[in-house]
Amino acid sequence: DAGVIQSPRHEVTEMGQEVTLRCKPISGHDYLFWYRQTMMRGLELLIYFNNNVPIDDSGMPEDRFSAKMPNASFSTLKIQPSEPRDSAVYFCASRRTSGGYEQYFGPGTRLTVT
Amino acid sequence: DQQVKQNSPSLSVQEGRISILNCDYTNSMFDYFLWYKKYPAEGPTFLISISSIKDKNEDGRFTVFLNKSAKHLSLHIVPSQPGDSAVYFCASTFSGSARQLTFGSGTQLTVLP
Repeated sequence: DAGVIQSPRHEVTEMGQEVTLRCKPISGHDYLFWYRQTMMRGLELLIYFNNNVPIDDSGMPEDRFSAKMPNASFSTLKIQPSEPRDSAVYFCASRRTSGGYEQYFGPGTRLTVT
Repeated sequence: DQQVKQNSPSLSVQEGRISILNCDYTNSMFDYFLWYKKYPAEGPTFLISISSIKDKNEDGRFTVFLNKSAKHLSLHIVPSQPGDSAVYFCASTFSGSARQLTFGSGTQLTVLP
């Protein structure tokens, strides 16, 4: 059974450019979460979806960040325009409503904005 | 406001000995707790969890203990193996949060051969 898939694994871009991160959750999972990990702030929740609907985006740092989930098997996190302080590792995670509350994480996308 | 705290950024243990990782929380509404393990360049991997109705949960070499009165949980790894070297995160959640996870800052465990 495939886990959470994220692409790209690494992204290097220049300040001001648009960046799009992609995530495919585990099949059958109805929750999807986007996290950002930095040395300063640790692992912080940016936004999460339930049944493709954004539920809480209070963690999204600025209007430069947006996320979509057009269907149950795909989500994007977009940063436009990107800034050096956006450099971090971005994780996507998913879980299902039934069962325990554990989330399953993808391998992450390491973003570097120069 | 850190609701979940891991006060030890790092821990070194000899192979075969016990590793004890600690986590404190402040929100008394938390009723479910999880531990994750993270290797470099990988995402966090779920390890073990415990509900607040229990005070202990075991899975092989891993045991999580919960002390609700002290708002403290710990992860015991016995015996420790070099492959256990990783960053360990504790996380907490409660039903009113739609089961969002609040993570601690992590503890780097190094198991020395």
